[in-house]
Amino acid sequence: EIVLTQSPATLSLSPGERATLSCRASQSVRSYLAWYQQKPGQAPRLLIYDASNRATGIPARFSGSGSGTDFTLTISGLEPEDFAVYYCQQRNNWPLTFGGGTKVEIK
Amino acid sequence: EVQLVESGGGLVQPGGSLRLSCAASGFTFSSFWMSWVRQAPGKGLEWVANIKQDGSEKYYVDSVKGRFTISRDNAKSSVSLQMNSLRAEDTAVYYCARGGSSWYNVDAFDIWGQGTMVTVSS
Repeated sequence: EIVLTQSPATLSLSPGERATLSCRASQSVRSYLAWYQQKPGQAPRLLIYDASNRATGIPARFSGSGSGTDFTLTISGLEPEDFAVYYCQQRNNWPLTFGGGTKVEIK
Repeated sequence: EVQLVESGGGLVQPGGSLRLSCAASGFTFSSFWMSWVRQAPGKGLEWVANIKQDGSEKYYVDSVKGRFTISRDNAKSSVSLQMNSLRAEDTAVYYCARGGSSWYNVDAFDIWGQGTMVTVSS
């Protein structure tokens, strides 16, 4: 099973600041990594697929990079609605796995 | 509008059974992988099961193998999860999710339902 480790667990930032979230895989997942945003009481929403492709309707301030075992989600300037939990997920191997999540909270 | 709507959750005793359903609309259901993902209270996301477009391939997380069965009815645009021998650790919100239209592999989950709560307790 591929283990995805997200860091930091919590990121405390102010609106307008840049957020950098990390996801590290225990073995290569090539570029088959996605990022999701989840707000309290809501279903997750797909942000990024295949490491760097924005999903439909996702603002340009969200960007993804990386390949192999190291990936990054960057939010270039935090908007109030961006404070949420973010998960990475790999689809390179069964079982599909998610990271433990990074909570982006208001400082 | 593309939509997934889950139903069937509830309270069940340990060892009991429950069947979850997910009704899809707004897209060609038979062209997409479908999945179930769960989230225990206050915890992260856990993929549970996937089924290919024609039902020929099914995949499960180890913790549910032999207890859960995923199935689909393309004529009714629905996917189900039959859950048997339920345990306390199966308590979670269960989400139905769409997993892409590639014939060869599942893609990222681009559409999610609102989730249905399953509580396993005596």
